[in-house]
Amino acid sequence: KNQVEQSPQSLIILEGKNCTLQCNYTVSPFSNLRWYKQDTGRGPVSLTIMTFSENTKSNGRYTATLDADTKQSSLHITASQLSDSASYICVVSGMGDYKLSFGAGTTVTVRA
Amino acid sequence: DADVTQTPRNRITKTGKRIMLECSQTKGHDRMYWYRQDPGLGLQLIYYSFDVKDINKGEISDGYSVSRQAQAKFSLSLESAIPNQTALYFCATSDFGGSDEQFFGPGTRLTVL
Repeated sequence: KNQVEQSPQSLIILEGKNCTLQCNYTVSPFSNLRWYKQDTGRGPVSLTIMTFSENTKSNGRYTATLDADTKQSSLHITASQLSDSASYICVVSGMGDYKLSFGAGTTVTVRA
Repeated sequence: DADVTQTPRNRITKTGKRIMLECSQTKGHDRMYWYRQDPGLGLQLIYYSFDVKDINKGEISDGYSVSRQAQAKFSLSLESAIPNQTALYFCATSDFGGSDEQFFGPGTRLTVL
């Protein structure tokens, strides 16, 4: 069964600090990996997408990396803001497979 | 206006009751999905539909049914609700032939007592 594991489960950081979230997956063959941001009470929204040939992608203060050989990805948040408080979900798509494999998410709390 | 809307946003019901959750989209996408989200777990696919005449079971379809009334509308029903169906339910859409990005609605929080 395709799996997506995220760590840590939750973290608390001070405003202005950086943090890195991790995602390991077993989906094969691999098509792409997305990071979604889910604000409390909202549906997930896509932040970044990376295919097999890409190993980094940025969206403002969010930078995602991908190592397709080790099946690992990370999401780095730079200079965190209170609005970054949310759950961040790693989502992996298999080649030729419309079904997505979701991680359980990492809950980030940014404190002033 | 939101591209993917869900009604109701919150619902409390009793065991044994029939419940319908509705999803509408204005994105013009062919594909629609229903997921449930439980604390500590990833989203799980309940049902999906690639067009009005195509309905497929997902990972956890037992106890649920769906209806695709039109390209823009996809409803999820719990025929006889039970407490372990208490969860957050999301509808999503994606475009056939485009990227496989799924666009999610705001969710329905369902509590079964």
